[in-house]
Order: sequence, then structure tokens, then C-alpha cells
Amino acid sequence: GENVEQHPSTLSVQEGDSAVIKCTYSDSASNYFPWYKQELGKRPQLIIDIRSNVGEKKDQRIAVTLNKTAKHFSLHITETQPEDSAVYFCAATYTGGFKTIFGAGTRLFVKA
Amino acid sequence: DVKVTQSSRYLVKRTGEKVFLECVQDMDHENMFWYRQDPGLGLRLIYFSYDVKMKEKGDIPEGYSVSREKKERFSLILESASTNQTSMYLCASSRDSSREQYFGPGTRLTVT
Repeated sequence: GENVEQHPSTLSVQEGDSAVIKCTYSDSASNYFPWYKQELGKRPQLIIDIRSNVGEKKDQRIAVTLNKTAKHFSLHITETQPEDSAVYFCAATYTGGFKTIFGAGTRLFVKA
Repeated sequence: DVKVTQSSRYLVKRTGEKVFLECVQDMDHENMFWYRQDPGLGLRLIYFSYDVKMKEKGDIPEGYSVSREKKERFSLILESASTNQTSMYLCASSRDSSREQYFGPGTRLTVT
């Protein structure tokens, strides 16, 4: 069945460094790739998304890249801050269907 | 501002009890979802609904059922709760499959 693999499961960086989280999806028909951030005790919230007709998207310190051929997509956070500490989930959706498959999550720690 | 609410934040039930978890969204979204969140496993889809009275099984539907009698309300039912259903349950809604999902605050269910 459809699957999304996410790595690493835990990531610890120093404040100001960059953080990269990588995901691989199995369903080649997937065409919408959102990223959610879940702070401790809170609900997941969308931080950025990308569609299959775009290779890269940036929003301030956050960027996402997509390689459709390799079925890889990645989240890049630059100049990390302590408030970036959270669990990040990647996901893949085939918009002709309804299901979104989530990765297992990456717990990011940003050390001050 | 989209609001997704869930009937309880914390719930403790006994093995064998019938459990109802309710979710309400106020943005006239077509799609609604129920996930369970367990450490290291990410968000796993239990059931989703793309219209009133329509439902589809997700990846882990065993032991659960759902009901969507009104567009704004999506209920998850545990027919006979078991200890392995102890988990965090998250409801979500979206306008369509190519847009972000808005999550509720979650219900932490403990089955003893």
C-alpha cells in the first residue's frame, strides 16, 4: 500500500543552524505534499505545502523541495530558533482521491 | 478562522465499553478524517468521509466505526473498547483533498 518514510526520527541542532528533514513516498500518483508542525500538547498545523508541478517553494526561513522522479521531498529550516522545536510531519496526497498518508514524524530540538 | 472541536480532551473508559468521540467543524468542509496518533507511528488514518453519510475505511479501521449524519459533525465509535485502543485521537477537516487539513485539539483516550 501507499507509504511515506520520514527521516530522521529525531534531530538536534544548535540555534542558528539549519535543519533538514527528508521524506520518500511510494505512490507516484501523489501530487500534493503538505508539512505540518505539532508543538508539544498542541494540534498539528500546516506550515508549508508544495504541489507536484513545482520543484521548490520558500516561505521566510522555511523551504520545501520536491524531486518527483526520485519521489523525494524535503523540508529545510534555516537560522533555527528555539521556537522551531516541535514534531514535524510530512505527508503525501493523491488529490484525485481523499487519503493523505503521513510520515512517522521528526522531533526537532533546537538548543539555545 | 477555521475551528475544529472535539467533544473531550481526556477520556478514561473501561474495557468493553462503547465509546463515542465527536468532532465538529464550522467551515462547511466536505472532507473529515479521524486519525490516531501514537509515538513513533505518526498519524494513522482510521476513517474518512467526503460527504454526508459517506465513509471510507482508512489504514486501521478494525475495531472502529464512524457516523456522519450532518456535514459539520463526524463521530468515531469504538464498539467495544480495548486496551490497545489507548491513544490520542485527532479529528481533521478539509475543503478538498488538495488543501490543508485543519485538526482538532485531540482526545487522549485511556482504556483500562
